[in-house]
Amino acid sequence: GENVEQHPSTLSVQEGDSAVIKCTYSDSASNYFPWYKQELGKRPQLIIDIRSNVGEKKDQRIAVTLNKTAKHFSLHITETQPEDSAVYFCAASITGSARQLTFGSGTQLTVLP
Amino acid sequence: NAGVTQTPKFRVLKTGQSMTLLCAQDMNHEYMYWYRQDPGMGLRLIHYSVGEGTTAKGEVPDGYNVSRLKKQNFLLGLESAAPSQTSVYFCASSSRRADTGELFFGEGSRLTVL
Repeated sequence: GENVEQHPSTLSVQEGDSAVIKCTYSDSASNYFPWYKQELGKRPQLIIDIRSNVGEKKDQRIAVTLNKTAKHFSLHITETQPEDSAVYFCAASITGSARQLTFGSGTQLTVLP
Repeated sequence: NAGVTQTPKFRVLKTGQSMTLLCAQDMNHEYMYWYRQDPGMGLRLIHYSVGEGTTAKGEVPDGYNVSRLKKQNFLLGLESAAPSQTSVYFCASSSRRADTGELFFGEGSRLTVL
């Protein structure tokens, strides 16, 4: 089955700096890569996703890049703010697999004021 | 719209006891899932369903059973709870539409097995 590895497990940045979280996946058939944000005590929520026919996607301060050859994808957050502090999970799945997502182990991002 | 609702939110069980977690969604989604979340391990899929009357095993199905008698409900059962099942359980639902892959999660149910 699919295996998704996520690094780093914890990340601290100064407010206004950028943050980068990286994930690698094992199954070359995977073609859908979402990122979820989970604030303390809350439910995970989708923040951005990318499909394998696209190399990069942006949404305001958040961007995701995908390298299918190397089987890795990354989340980039620019101009970080205190409200960006949360656990971020990457995931991978295959279209048509009933959205069976395999999640990474998560990254605790702390934005220091 | 309430979205995805889980009950109960908290439960403490003794080893060997049984219980059922209920998940309800009001978005008319075809797909529903049960995940467990443990520290440092992300979210792991227990069971899922692609429609009323159907269920399938996920990554960590042992010790759990599920049923989906109605499209809007997905039940997770523990027949004989074990301390290793202490976890936070999340239900999620998703549309079958090809243009969206988003999972909508419930608020979670924290289960402690003593």
